[in-house]
Amino acid sequence: SQKIEQNSEALNIQEGKTATLTCNYTNYSPAYLQWYRQDPGRGPVFLLLIRENEKEKRKERLKVTFDTTLKQSLFHITASQPADSATYLCALSSTGTASKLTFGTGTRLQVTL
Amino acid sequence: SQTIHQWPATLVQPVGSPLSLECTVEGTSNPNLYWYRQAAGRGLQLLFYSVGIGQISSEVPQNLSASRPQDRQFILSSKKLLLSDSGFYLCAWSQQTNEKLFFGSGTQLSVL
Repeated sequence: SQKIEQNSEALNIQEGKTATLTCNYTNYSPAYLQWYRQDPGRGPVFLLLIRENEKEKRKERLKVTFDTTLKQSLFHITASQPADSATYLCALSSTGTASKLTFGTGTRLQVTL
Repeated sequence: SQTIHQWPATLVQPVGSPLSLECTVEGTSNPNLYWYRQAAGRGLQLLFYSVGIGQISSEVPQNLSASRPQDRQFILSSKKLLLSDSGFYLCAWSQQTNEKLFFGSGTQLSVL
């Protein structure tokens, strides 16, 4: 069955460091991979989208990589700040099921001073 | 600019009662519309999506239903709520398939 896996344990890092979050998938042929941020009690907010033929995408302090051979995406936040503390979700849409965006369970990031 | 409205923000309903959650999008036309549910500590589960008026695709068998009576209106309904229907319900839209989703503020539903 199709599966999207994110580390369920919270990631605790110190302010100023780079946070790296992992998203692994199985039994998917993803056309697109997206990353969202979700704060408690709020809807997710879109951050970045990367296509299957792209290796890397950047936006300000954010960087996403997409390795279709390893079936993995890495999400990096450089120079992390306490305001970056939130849950980060990855989501995939596959070729052939183009209207469906399936989410992972998310990883909570806690940035401390 | 585009906005999405979802209401109510919180809802407490007894088991067996009906449900109607409404979502509207402004500032765009012919959006793809989605209903997701997030149970406590769980991921987002896609319930329904729609690519046009009257076109509804259901992802999970359940006692919920969805309708799209107008281009920018998406309604989630139930005739009789179950305890297991409790959760955080999110409406979302995208302009085209495989584009980013814009989420509403969500409805926290508690079925008691």
